[in-house]
Amino acid sequence: TQLLEQSPQFLSIQEGENLTVYCNSSSVFSSLQWYRQEPGEGPVLLVTVVTGGEVKKLKRLTFQFGDARKDSSLHITAAQTGDTGLYLCAGFAGGTSYGKLTFGQGTILTVHP
Amino acid sequence: DAEITQSPRHKITETGRQVTLACHQTWNHNNMFWYRQDLGHGLRLIHYSYGVQDTNKGEVSDGYSVSRSNTEDLPLTLESAASSQTSVYFCASSEYRVSEAFFGQGTRLTVV
Repeated sequence: TQLLEQSPQFLSIQEGENLTVYCNSSSVFSSLQWYRQEPGEGPVLLVTVVTGGEVKKLKRLTFQFGDARKDSSLHITAAQTGDTGLYLCAGFAGGTSYGKLTFGQGTILTVHP
Repeated sequence: DAEITQSPRHKITETGRQVTLACHQTWNHNNMFWYRQDLGHGLRLIHYSYGVQDTNKGEVSDGYSVSRSNTEDLPLTLESAASSQTSVYFCASSEYRVSEAFFGQGTRLTVV
């Protein structure tokens, strides 16, 4: 069974601060996705990283896939109150198991004004 | 616009009762999934389907069943509800041979 360890589980910061969320595994993933979830809603896909070492930017969010495709990070620069939410990483093992994802435990981010 | 809809959004049921949660998608996706979300566990896969008449067990399938009679729907049935099945349930779908999933808004189920 593949596992994804996500840290930290909780993060409380002030507006304007930077933060990094980590997603680690001992297993190799074909690709890794990051989702954001608002209270009472389902997760919404932010980005998919596929190639080892890949870096993707989405405005103030930077996503990186580890060289060995076993870990990933999400960095937010100058956090805003609108960034508050649950962030989830999810790994896709590859092969024919499309859409079958292994999720990390999630990081609850609270950005205070 | 295409979407994925879950119903009901909230349900309270008694231990031992059979419960069915509905999931309907208009994306015309082949792949559909049911996850449960519990604090500290992220989302865990219950059952999934890659097409009509196809169903597969996920990581936490005991006590749950699904059936796929058409492309649009994948209802999740709890055969005999238990308190341990109190959770938030999410349905998701994805295109054939694509890993990214679209999620419904969730069903909060409480078993008393």
